[in-house]
Amino acid sequence: QVQLQESGPRLMKPSQTLSLTCSVSGGSIRSDIYYWTWIRQPAGKGLEWIGRIYTGGSTNYSPSLKSRVTISVDTSKNQLYLKVNSLTAADTAVYFCAAGDYVVVNGVYTYRLDVWGQGTTVIVSS
Amino acid sequence: AIQMTQSPSSLSASVGDRVTITCRASQDIRNDLGWYQQKPGKAPKLLIYAASTLQSGVPSRFSGSGSGTDFILTISSLQPEDFATYYCLQDYNYPHTFGQGTKVDTK
Repeated sequence: QVQLQESGPRLMKPSQTLSLTCSVSGGSIRSDIYYWTWIRQPAGKGLEWIGRIYTGGSTNYSPSLKSRVTISVDTSKNQLYLKVNSLTAADTAVYFCAAGDYVVVNGVYTYRLDVWGQGTTVIVSS
Repeated sequence: AIQMTQSPSSLSASVGDRVTITCRASQDIRNDLGWYQQKPGKAPKLLIYAASTLQSGVPSRFSGSGSGTDFILTISSLQPEDFATYYCLQDYNYPHTFGQGTKVDTK
């Protein structure tokens, strides 16, 4: 099973662009098994799905963030990336990367988001 | 976007109690639902997927049921390590959406 490790700056200023990295070990990000996902969680609040990428060719984003977010991969480095531009204080959160796959349950392909990184904290403050 | 409404938002229980948490979707999501447990300072952990399939390694006291719009997570006999916050997540369509969470604490 793959392991995930997020990294990136802890403190950002409003209007800046955040770049986070998720390093993948124990497997290839090029694999057609996994869908690579970013999720965030403001302190004391719930989980928010940001988006996911499938290296087989598709990327999907939350409409609420789509205009400011880019998810990408570098297969040569086995890394997943998240960029968020035009930061505000509302982007302060713990950011998680996660990996999901599809398995067959009762003859039907079903999704499970079963591998998570430990998360990285980002604070947006002037 | 599909709205996922969890209830209750919090509950107090004792070790040995049977605990049920409900998640309601704003539209039919078949059985495309997972349940996650999160402890403070930790990443969420997958408990249940496809509404009722137990993830490998998860104790059998956890179970899930439901399909369509209404789903239930049951802990048959609450253990000390189960005090945590629980989230549902629909993956029927984009954007995937979480419920707001249910915090289970000590009575």
